[in-house]
Amino acid sequence: NAGVMQNPRHLVRRRGQEARLRCSPMKGHSHVYWYRQLPEEGLKFMVYLQKENIIDESGMPKERFSAEFPKEGPSILRIQQVVRGDSAAYFCASSWGYNEQFFGPGTRLTVL
Amino acid sequence: DAKTTQPNSMESNEEEPVHLPCNHSTISGTDYIHWYRQLPSQGPEYVIHGLTSNVNNRMASLAIAEDRKSSTLILHRATLRDAAVYYCIQTMNRDDKIIFGKGTRLHILP
Repeated sequence: NAGVMQNPRHLVRRRGQEARLRCSPMKGHSHVYWYRQLPEEGLKFMVYLQKENIIDESGMPKERFSAEFPKEGPSILRIQQVVRGDSAAYFCASSWGYNEQFFGPGTRLTVL
Repeated sequence: DAKTTQPNSMESNEEEPVHLPCNHSTISGTDYIHWYRQLPSQGPEYVIHGLTSNVNNRMASLAIAEDRKSSTLILHRATLRDAAVYYCIQTMNRDDKIIFGKGTRLHILP
């Protein structure tokens, strides 16, 4: 059973471009979470999704950031018009119902 | 904000037991205690969780105080690969978002 997959592992964007981060949860998992870790800081919750629904987006910045988890395919975290402050590691986690969260290896976004 | 408090860092010698403390004085009767750890340049990894009773698994043991206001993660025999940041987390529901604090950075001395 493959673990949580994230791609790309590293992403470089110039200011103003769009970044799309993908997360494939573990097989059978219907809950997906996104977290952000700024350099030398702890992880911050961003958004919690179940299939086709956003359950909790209290940690998402109000502008430029969006997330989806369609019925088919991976969850996508989309950052429009990236700025240097968006440079961070973005981690996705998945769970099945009321169980522990399994984290992916992360996508490291660098904004030039 | 994180509801738990942990020491910023701890050191331990290789092959000795490690006791990582955590305070969660605001815990309610239905809150779980989870422990995750993050190795350098990796995503967090689940370690263990519990509600009221002490718990054991292949990675560690979790000792929960009788009043549930504190707990201790026990690594029975630390190895260099256990060097990581350990996060103690209090959650209302088992599928709730994780509010990470600063965690305890564990250094293992060879």
